[in-house]
Amino acid sequence: QKEVEQNSGPLSVPEGAIASLNCTYSDRGSQSFFWYRQYSGKSPELIMFIYSNGDKEDGRFTAQLNKASQYVSLLIRDSQPSDSATYLCASYYGQNFVFGPGTRLSVLP
Amino acid sequence: NAGVTQTPKFQVLKTGQSMTLQCAQDMNHNSMYWYRQDPGMGLRLIYYSASEGTTDKGEVPNGYNVSRLNKREFSLRLESAAPSQTSVYFCASSIRLAGATDTQYFGPGTRLTVL
Repeated sequence: QKEVEQNSGPLSVPEGAIASLNCTYSDRGSQSFFWYRQYSGKSPELIMFIYSNGDKEDGRFTAQLNKASQYVSLLIRDSQPSDSATYLCASYYGQNFVFGPGTRLSVLP
Repeated sequence: NAGVTQTPKFQVLKTGQSMTLQCAQDMNHNSMYWYRQDPGMGLRLIYYSASEGTTDKGEVPNGYNVSRLNKREFSLRLESAAPSQTSVYFCASSIRLAGATDTQYFGPGTRLTVL
C-alpha cells in the first residue's frame, strides 16, 4: 500500500514568517512529488513539483526532496494571510498519484 | 481554454437513485482521473484512464463505473447511490511534461449528497 503522510495541523504562523510543511512517503519507487494548495470549498491547485534530490525554488515557494529519507517539504517564505489553505502532498508512480491527507496552514495577520 | 470542467456542481440524491457525473478537458491530455475527497482522508482515486478506450480501477472503485467516451470526456456513474458515497468528487487530467513527470490538473468538483 503506497502511502503519503502529512501532519494534519493546523499549522499557525505569523504573517511574514516562514511556513514549513512536511510530507513522508512509503514507496521508494515514487518518481516525483507534488504540492497542491486547496482553499476551502475549492479544487486543488498545483503549486510546484520536484523529482530530483535537493531544492527547487519558485518565487516564495521552495520544495525540498530527500529520497534517502523519503521526505518532501515545502517552505513558504514571507507568508501572507492569502496563503491560509490546506496543502496537499502527492507522490507519482506508474501513472498513479497518491495524495496525503493535507496540512491546514493558518497565517495570522 | 476552459481546462477541466465538471457537471453538475451540486447534486442531492436519494438512496438507490443513479446518476452520471460528467467531466471534460480541452487541454489534449491523455490521462484522466476520478477522485473522491472526504474530510480527513485526502483524495482517493476511484478510477483512471491512461488513454482513450482504457480504464483501470483505483483505490475505491466499488459502487462506481466509468466511461472514457473520447479523449476529452470521462464520466463517472453511480448505479445505486448509497449514503457512504456522499462526498466531493474531483475529475483531473494529466500531461507528461517534456523530460519530466506527469502533472495533474483538477476540475472544480461536484458536491454530492446521498440521503
